Amino acid sequence: DSGVTQTPKHLITATGQRVTLRCSPRSGDLSVYWYQQSLDQGLQFLIQYYNGEERAKGNILERFSAQQFPDLHSELNLSSLELGDSALYFCASSAGLAGATSTDTQYFGPGTRLTVL
Amino acid sequence: GQNIDQPTEMTATEGAIVQINCTYQTSGFNGLFWYQQHAGEAPTFLSYNVLDGLEEKGRFSSFLSRSKGYSYLLLKELQMKDSASYLCAGGSDSNYQLIWGAGTKLIIKP
Repeated sequence: DSGVTQTPKHLITATGQRVTLRCSPRSGDLSVYWYQQSLDQGLQFLIQYYNGEERAKGNILERFSAQQFPDLHSELNLSSLELGDSALYFCASSAGLAGATSTDTQYFGPGTRLTVL
Repeated sequence: GQNIDQPTEMTATEGAIVQINCTYQTSGFNGLFWYQQHAGEAPTFLSYNVLDGLEEKGRFSSFLSRSKGYSYLLLKELQMKDSASYLCAGGSDSNYQLIWGAGTKLIIKP
């Protein structure tokens, strides 16, 4: 158990709909990252927050948005859903900013499997 | 540009040793991570290298050569449960992103 929690575990919805995925980081971690992983594909970095502020953006679509709240939990909002948005969405957290030192080791939550029909 | 390369797939035999290579080009390199990911599950942290040399953790070891932009993950006494994808990721202090490789799918045969 990494200490990162994500809800819901599974989500099935229709095209055009909007969903919200939730993530709670490990106790003490200030950074939260969101990733998308389509079937048999690599991890695609979407966005990172550090202590409530957006820190880095990857290949995140304009239909997607995220935020990190004062209690450090984060939500990823996906709107106008398309079939191609079906994927595993992972949240990860780290103590530090990102990438540079061992304190930036990212610990992943179990993921939310999104299916768009 | 920044890039991480690793083989797409490897096959090995139960009980044997396998080495998974990773080459990277990142500006301001500062650390390399290895993760294991079983199908449909979350990546789990295996190792972190920032200095040249070999770091050993039980059956798994990770090596880094900063001058060559090269790392490898060595798995010994392979078990069927080691069948998974292995992800290499490079850290950079020039931006705040971890650059991820596409992963190496390791297939273990009896």
